[in-house]
Order: sequence, then structure tokens, then C-alpha cells
Amino acid sequence: DIQMTQSPSSLSASVGDRVTITCRASQDIRNHLAWYQQRPGKVPQILIQSASTLQSGVPSRFSGSGSGTHFTLTISSLQPEDVATYYCQKYNSAPLTFGPGTKVDLK
Amino acid sequence: QVQLQESGPGLVKPSETLSLTCTVSGGPISTYFWTWIRQPPGKGLEWIGHINYSGRTNYSPSLKSRVTISMDTSKKEFSLKVNSVTTADTAVYYCARVGFSYDSGTHYPQEIQYWGRGALVTVSS
Repeated sequence: DIQMTQSPSSLSASVGDRVTITCRASQDIRNHLAWYQQRPGKVPQILIQSASTLQSGVPSRFSGSGSGTHFTLTISSLQPEDVATYYCQKYNSAPLTFGPGTKVDLK
Repeated sequence: QVQLQESGPGLVKPSETLSLTCTVSGGPISTYFWTWIRQPPGKGLEWIGHINYSGRTNYSPSLKSRVTISMDTSKKEFSLKVNSVTTADTAVYYCARVGFSYDSGTHYPQEIQYWGRGALVTVSS
């Protein structure tokens, strides 16, 4: 089965900073990758599908890139409401494995 | 607007069976994939498995021997059973709707589109 890893596991950044999170797949998953945001105490919500397609209503400061085995989620200018844990997930074939998550908080 | 609601006991004894039901409203239960995901306290998300519109299931390899997902389309519900639970099965359990793509007669699961609010299930004697 394909394994998903994320780095870093956590980070602290200041408001306005550019933040980049990396997700790696153990095998080629083409662009079959989604990113989810889970704010503290809340239900996860999708940000991006197909590695780079922003979900409707998601702020444009979020962007995704990559294909194959290497993917990134970028927040161009971190805002207080972006404090959350971010998960990548591969799909298209089971198991639909999540990455372990990256916790983002404010410095 | 599609809504999903988990229901079931919040406390289960070790070695017994955890049972949850997800009720779907605001949209069809046919066509899509329907999934269960869990999150132990303070930990990450774990995909448990899914069922598709025709009743075909896929499960996490680590849980496959203990998990059953089923669907009742007439009630617009799908269900999760986890046998022989231990304290490690204590988690918030989410049900969710998964999008699909279609190619050469086969449906493929895509991103999670809608989530339930989650149900905390504690395994304790």
C-alpha cells in the first residue's frame, strides 16, 4: 500500500509569513491528492483537490502544487484563522490514506 | 445542502462491537462513495473504509479483519461495525461523502466532499 508522509510535523510562523507544507507519497499517485484543514475542535474541511484545484470558497492565499510523489501546500500570507492542522490524502484507489498532519500555529 | 449525522452508543466495553450509523440528508445516497474516518484524541485522521453505490466495500488493511461497512439505501443510511474493540479504538468517528470519477465503466473514489460532525466513541469497562 502507498504510504503518505508530511513535513514538517509542526511549525510556528508569524502573521503574513509564507508557509509551505510538503506531502510525499511512497509511489506515483499522479495528481490524486487532496488537502484538508482541521481547525482546533472542528471538523476537517477540504481546501484543495487534484493536487492544485482550490475548492470553492477557499481563500486564494492557499495553493497546491505537485504531482507523482511530491506535493506542496502553500499559504502565501498566514492569517490568524489559518491556525490548524493540515492533512494530505491520496485517493482514486483504496486505501485512501491520510498523511500524519502538519500543525500550524502562530509565533 | 448535503448533511450527514452519526449516531450510536458513545461508550462501548472492551471486546464488544462498536456500531455507528450515518444518516444522509439533502442529497442522494446513490452514485457516491461513503466513508468512515476516525481520529483518536489528539492524533491524526485514519481512513477506515468505504462503501460505494453498489455496495462494494474497501477497508483499511490494518482494520480489515474487524470492520464491516454496510448501506441501507431505502433509509439513506450507512453503517460501521468494529468488532473486538480495545481502548485503542477510542476516537471521534466521522462519516463522510466521497466524490467519484468515472472511467471505462468503473467508478473511482475522489476527495471527501462532506463530513458529519463526528461522534466520540469511548472504549472502557
